[in-house]
Amino acid sequence: QLQESGPGLVKPSQTLSLTCTVSGGSMSRGGYYWSWIRQQPGKGLEWIGFIYNSGSTYYNPSLKSRLTLSVDTSKTQFSLKLSSVTAADTAIYYCARTVTIFGVVTYFDSWGQGTLVTVSS
Amino acid sequence: DIQMTQSPSSLSASVGDRVTITCRASQRISNFLTWYQQKPGKAPQLLIYGASSLQSGVPSRFSGSGSGTDFTLTISSLQPEDFATYYCQQSFTSVWTFGQGTKVEIK
Repeated sequence: QLQESGPGLVKPSQTLSLTCTVSGGSMSRGGYYWSWIRQQPGKGLEWIGFIYNSGSTYYNPSLKSRLTLSVDTSKTQFSLKLSSVTAADTAIYYCARTVTIFGVVTYFDSWGQGTLVTVSS
Repeated sequence: DIQMTQSPSSLSASVGDRVTITCRASQRISNFLTWYQQKPGKAPQLLIYGASSLQSGVPSRFSGSGSGTDFTLTISSLQPEDFATYYCQQSFTSVWTFGQGTKVEIK
């Protein structure tokens, strides 16, 4: 299971920080990447990026300049930091486990419930 | 980035109907295509991966097909719990993209 946590309100120009806690299994076991996806209210899904246990990351180019993903397998957590936020970053943020097949990252098989982050002064 | 286009954007159907949703990729993606179901206020749930492989626990009335650029999600006999929004997603390139979603509503 995955659970997002973090502030629900962030001021414009500040940094949005979220953590996803993974329970029910070890993050150190190979075969999975750990992902973030967001959904603006009433809109579709946008892939943010994913990270492996080793710290290797893949970012959506549209967010790359503002985005940092990190992982702490000892705490079974991974985190997202998005800097210089604007109202356009208001969204439900989901964390998800991401399956690899023969080393190829493929799909999200388990999702957190999501957390709404509002960017407003 | 690869653009994923779903059709229709919404549809109305009755319980028991056969429902087909189409997803088209702007370039060939082999079978790197996944389908998710999202109900209001909930996170998406995995239905189909690899274009046609049914995720464990998903009812067999759901099926997926296609390869290359054109893909289909079929619900053979729509049930009350299937009214939701469905998304396709490609993982062929390093920038993953979703379709805009198809909302299945009760007629």
